[in-house]
Amino acid sequence: QSALTQPPSASGSPGQSVTISCTGTSSDIGGYNHVSWYQQHPGKAPKLMIYEVTERPSGVPDRFSGFKSGNTASLTVSGLQAEDEADYFCCSFGGRDNWVFGGGTKLTVL
Amino acid sequence: QVQLVESGGGVVQPGGSLRLSCAASGFAFPYYGIHWVRQAPGKGLEWVSYIHVDENNKYYTTSVKGRFSISRDNSKNTVFLQMNSLGAEDTAVYYCTKDHHWSFEDWGQGTLVTVSS
Repeated sequence: QSALTQPPSASGSPGQSVTISCTGTSSDIGGYNHVSWYQQHPGKAPKLMIYEVTERPSGVPDRFSGFKSGNTASLTVSGLQAEDEADYFCCSFGGRDNWVFGGGTKLTVL
Repeated sequence: QVQLVESGGGVVQPGGSLRLSCAASGFAFPYYGIHWVRQAPGKGLEWVSYIHVDENNKYYTTSVKGRFSISRDNSKNTVFLQMNSLGAEDTAVYYCTKDHHWSFEDWGQGTLVTVSS
């Protein structure tokens, strides 16, 4: 199973919005609504931000939103804040009892 | 609150074995599937293995099939990952994480496995 494709970096100024894409295939993102996103600060464990494409766990600000169209999912962070600077990873259930991650996107708040 | 605590990592020679443990608390452990996800130094996340609430359903990423074995002891709220025939490519921080709608909801702090001679 190939990794999902994410841009290596993204950036935005405080208060702006930024969208991170995650491209897969019809065997993973396109085939299931089991897409999730994770935020990871340096030296820390990942944190679940979005699951089932659009759902936010309790405690995650509504500035974070997810979307999917075809084989591509996206995470939008609105009203950027300094603490949003982190690595973001997408993940999809890939069928055949397998999960696949994207390579990660480093989000910089300018 | 949910806690997942990994242990058992360390330095092992190529071809060696390690057994990781994940001790869980703060939730109804027997009713949740548990995953192992790893992260090589400076790299991204890689899903490794999953065990369902019943031990009849266990899944592995292709690169560890036949070498790794996942199990659970619901009486001790613990999941194990037996890792055999380890190679340099297995060097990583190993996280255990609680399943939530095909995603990874809560994470431990991780345990570092280093395969080196």
